[in-house]
Amino acid sequence: SAVISQKPSRDICQRGTSLTIQCQVDSQVTMMFWYRQQPGQSLTLIATANQGSEATYESGFVIDKFPISRPNLTFSTLTVSNMSPEDSSIYLCSVERDPRGDTQYFGPGTRLTVL
Amino acid sequence: GENVEQHPSTLSVQEGDSAVIKCTYSDSASNYFPWYKQELGKGPQLIIDIRSNVGEKKDQRIAVTLNKTAKHFSLHITETQPEDSAVYFCAASKGYQGAQKLVFGQGTRLTINP
Repeated sequence: SAVISQKPSRDICQRGTSLTIQCQVDSQVTMMFWYRQQPGQSLTLIATANQGSEATYESGFVIDKFPISRPNLTFSTLTVSNMSPEDSSIYLCSVERDPRGDTQYFGPGTRLTVL
Repeated sequence: GENVEQHPSTLSVQEGDSAVIKCTYSDSASNYFPWYKQELGKGPQLIIDIRSNVGEKKDQRIAVTLNKTAKHFSLHITETQPEDSAVYFCAASKGYQGAQKLVFGQGTRLTINP
């Protein structure tokens, strides 16, 4: 498995502001992923972050709203920009840690409330 | 794209009994099927997975079965304990530009009654 940490663990933010979420892994990984989990719902992939290239966004998610950085093989950030109450969710990062490249392990999540 | 349906949405069983959660997927190219357990306030934890070249896999009290023809897979938990209470998610994936994109089911809230 992998030891994954996220900061902050939770935050309460005002409408119109931005929040940057950090994801740190205990060893180098090729692929990192960002997911959103709306209250009481399942997980939806926001984007895939590969070190050294632009993130790949899923349908319905855009870079201006969710800019992602991946400066090295152990770290990534997700920014939630110009927040509205609809952005209140749990944001989760995950990493691939299998030679076959299919097993994902998740961090503890960041619980965001937008007022 | 891939669509994963999960049933039931809630499940309540007596401690010691078995629990079964079922998922169906739409894309026959999917080849990897993990199950995650999410406890309150925590991130999803991988508990078992199965690949398309295997029909069944067991790990102590947990087992997963896969029927590729019918495109469905199931999680079986035997001798349930109170600590099994959580939300369980199934997922499916296939090759995607070098990275595996996981598509999740809607989740099952499992409650174990003492």
